[in-house]
Amino acid sequence: EAQVTQNPRYLITVTGKKLTVTCSQNMNHEYMSWYRQDPGLGLRQIYYSMNVEVTDKGDVPEGYKVSRKEKRNFPLILESPSPNQTSLYFCASSFSGLSGNTIYFGEGSWLTVV
Amino acid sequence: ILNVEQSPQSLHVQEGDSTNFTCSFPSSNFYALHWYRWETAKSPKALFVMTLNGDEKKKGRISATLNTKEGYSYLYIKGSQPEDSATYLCASITSGTYKYIFGTGTRLKVLA
Repeated sequence: EAQVTQNPRYLITVTGKKLTVTCSQNMNHEYMSWYRQDPGLGLRQIYYSMNVEVTDKGDVPEGYKVSRKEKRNFPLILESPSPNQTSLYFCASSFSGLSGNTIYFGEGSWLTVV
Repeated sequence: ILNVEQSPQSLHVQEGDSTNFTCSFPSSNFYALHWYRWETAKSPKALFVMTLNGDEKKKGRISATLNTKEGYSYLYIKGSQPEDSATYLCASITSGTYKYIFGTGTRLKVLA
C-alpha cells in the first residue's frame, strides 16, 4: 500500500531536549516536505526536498533541520524544541516537485513541548 | 508570502442539500491549484489538481471549477451526505516556485 509513515504520532517533550520525527515513503517519490498546522493558520511549509541531498527552506524553517540522505526518508529534527513548536506536523511527498503532482500526506504527528 | 483565502470558514448543511465554497488565490504567475479533503484524525487526501483556466473536475458528487484570470476556484458538493463532513483545503502553487500555499480550509458539517 502506498503510504507516508511518520513517527512518533504523539509526543510530549520538554524544552531543549532534541527530538527527531521520522518520515518514510514507499512510493519512490522525489519530492518530500514538512508542514505544521496551527489553529487559525493554514498548513505552513517548514522545509522541502526536491531529491536526495537537495533541501530548501519553506516559509517557517526557524528552529528546524532536515536531511535527505536516502530517497525514502526525510526526518525533521528539532535541535532545541521550544513551546512555540507545539503543533501538528505533517510529512508529505509527491512524485516530483512539479505542482501538477498530487501530494500524499502522512497521518500527522502531534508534538507538545512543555 | 502569497495569501490563499477560503470562505466560508465553516458551515452546517442538512443532508441532501447542495453546497459550495470558495478558494481565492493570487492570479499572477499561477501554476496550479489543488483541493484536499481532510477528515478529523486523518491526513488530507487529494481531491483535484487543476491547472487550466476554465478547468472543471468531477469526482462523484463533488466537482470543482477554476478561474485563473480572476483567481478563484469553487468546490461544489451535490446532495451532501454526513460522510462528506470534513475540512476542505485548497493550495495554490505559483510558477517558478515549489511551494504550496494552503488556505485555512472550510469546515463542513452535514447534519443527518
